[in-house]
Amino acid sequence: EVQLVESGGGLVQPGRSLKLSCAASGFTFSDYNMAWVRQAPTKGLEWVASISYGGSNTHYGDSVKGRFTISRDNAKSTLYLQMDSLRSEDTATYYCARPATFAYWGQGTLVTVSS
Amino acid sequence: DIVMTQSPSSLAVSAGDKVTMSCKSSQSLFSSEYQGNYLSWFQQKPGQSPKLLISLASTRETGVPDRFIGSGSGTDFTLTINSVQAEDLAVYYCEQYYSYPLTFGSGTKLEIK
Repeated sequence: EVQLVESGGGLVQPGRSLKLSCAASGFTFSDYNMAWVRQAPTKGLEWVASISYGGSNTHYGDSVKGRFTISRDNAKSTLYLQMDSLRSEDTATYYCARPATFAYWGQGTLVTVSS
Repeated sequence: DIVMTQSPSSLAVSAGDKVTMSCKSSQSLFSSEYQGNYLSWFQQKPGQSPKLLISLASTRETGVPDRFIGSGSGTDFTLTINSVQAEDLAVYYCEQYYSYPLTFGSGTKLEIK
């Protein structure tokens, strides 16, 4: 059974950093591209970033480009999202998901950016 | 960027009704190389993660009831729910995975009278 379990969310002040993790199991992690998708409170879904199965190719949404970094450790079957220079508008539940069709999602981890 | 426009934003129906919702993309999502439309539909129930219902515009995921039907091609797509059930209360999103940045529609909220 495919499982994606996010962690690392919490309350952080504007301008600070936070690193999210997503532990994957139930499939060969190194065979698949991975992604982060977020959802602000009461809002819709927004794709954040994607990374290729080997980690060499990454793509970012315009709203996070230059501030967020997606990475992975295939030996640990873990996906990461390093979030720097956080803003209040980054407040959201962050989901780890498996593209291209996003057939699998984690339960999400809430990031709140507030002073 | 490909803009995804969903309509209506919300609708209220009675159990047993047929529902149709629309998703329009600003560019064609059809890949001639792979002969498919790179469009997915998701269902998100209150307090839950999104769930993939349909990919490639019309391919239902395993375990998804056959009352959910995806159709369309190019830039115009439709999700139809035949004989809506109370458990279908949710927000439905379309998403294109034809090109980066990946983009979602703003959602259609389905309420059951």
